Amino acid sequence: QQQVKQSPQSLIVQKGGISIINCAYENTAFDYFPWYQQFPGKGPALLIAIRPDVSEKKEGRFTISFNKSAKQFSLHIMDSQPGDSATYFCAASNNNNDMRFGAGTRLTVKP
Amino acid sequence: DTGVSQDPRHKITKRGQNVTFRCDPISEHNRLYWYRQTLGQGPEFLTYFQNEAQLEKSRLLSDRFSAERPKGSFSTLEIQRTEQGDSAMYLCASIRVGMNTEAFFGQGTRLTVV
Repeated sequence: QQQVKQSPQSLIVQKGGISIINCAYENTAFDYFPWYQQFPGKGPALLIAIRPDVSEKKEGRFTISFNKSAKQFSLHIMDSQPGDSATYFCAASNNNNDMRFGAGTRLTVKP
Repeated sequence: DTGVSQDPRHKITKRGQNVTFRCDPISEHNRLYWYRQTLGQGPEFLTYFQNEAQLEKSRLLSDRFSAERPKGSFSTLEIQRTEQGDSAMYLCASIRVGMNTEAFFGQGTRLTVV
């Protein structure tokens, strides 16, 4: 049972463009929504995270938009760079219990 | 280096053999997770420990899988009678509950069952 659905599976963006990755969740008890970035051969690393008491969080070029009523959240990468090319996973957890991950989005930023 | 170490990094084994992986979390982290990641997919939750207590196990964790965290520090994941479908990356992550909700992942153990 997939509790977090992520789209698209892959994304190709030109350098300087905006990358947008979307996630939807089912469990309304989730209260923590992180995004992880994974490079080949490495474990996922936390990129940015949000809690449902705010609708948006921005850190540098990375922004999470959160829509509690729609049970959706998205990652926006502004001014995308080739170094951003990686696989991105959204996740959701309830009080740090069994964090559930989306299937991932492979982002390629073309120079 | 996230501070979470996993050993071995790679393991090739023949079908039917038993394998054991080890995870050393960040020392002050009291919660430890095991995930399985197959190629092109997100990590799938297997189990987690709060200190030495195993609090939840996924349905993915068949009776061939067992995990321990005997002293609330390092953890081991054993797979008995390995099958080709067990081939995956096995990731360990740790969190200090109540202080920081960020999960720190190790680099994983890649298992190949031939």
